Amino acid sequence: DSGVTQTPKHLITATGQRVTLRCSPRSGDLSVYWYQQSLDQGLQFLIHYYNGEERAKGNILERFSAQQFPDLHSELNLSSLELGDSALYFCASSKGVGNTEAFFGQGTRLTVV
Amino acid sequence: AQSVTQPDIHITVSEGASLELRCNYSYGATPYLFWYVQSPGQGLQLLLKYFSGDTLVQGIKGFEAEFKRSQSSFNLRKPSVHWSDAAEYFCAVDGRNFGNEKLTFGTGTRLTIIP
Repeated sequence: DSGVTQTPKHLITATGQRVTLRCSPRSGDLSVYWYQQSLDQGLQFLIHYYNGEERAKGNILERFSAQQFPDLHSELNLSSLELGDSALYFCASSKGVGNTEAFFGQGTRLTVV
Repeated sequence: AQSVTQPDIHITVSEGASLELRCNYSYGATPYLFWYVQSPGQGLQLLLKYFSGDTLVQGIKGFEAEFKRSQSSFNLRKPSVHWSDAAEYFCAVDGRNFGNEKLTFGTGTRLTIIP
């Protein structure tokens, strides 16, 4: 158990819908990262938050957004979903800037039908 | 920008045999390197990391990796594999020297163990 909790584990939704994925980092970790894993793109970095502030953005679509709350949990919002958004979405956490030893959650498997 | 190459998509070894998974990186400074393992339906588990110092690093589950700057490599090794080692293995580098802490992953190597 990495200490990073992601909910839900599985999500099936229709095209055009909006979903929210939730992540609780390890106790004491200030950084939260979101990654997308798909068969054709592999593991892609989406976004990084540190102590509530956005630190870096990767290949994140405009239809996707994220935030980190004062209690340090994070949410990834995916809207206007398309079939191609079906993937495994991972959250990872680390202590923070300068320490990127990241611990991953079990992931949320999103299926868009 | 940093990048990682794992040349072997799929490797099959017999149980008890030795293992080496290859990883090459492209990075403009001293890299911070990681190996992760992903079992089917699971998240990624950190096996080991290299930040600095001794170029041979030990990890969990009997794995080790050697950092070779001259070859831009960080290969993962295990002297004797167990059936439970069957999984997907990812090499990664982070971008802290370029102002970001994101991990850039290789495409992964799937390891199959033959009894």
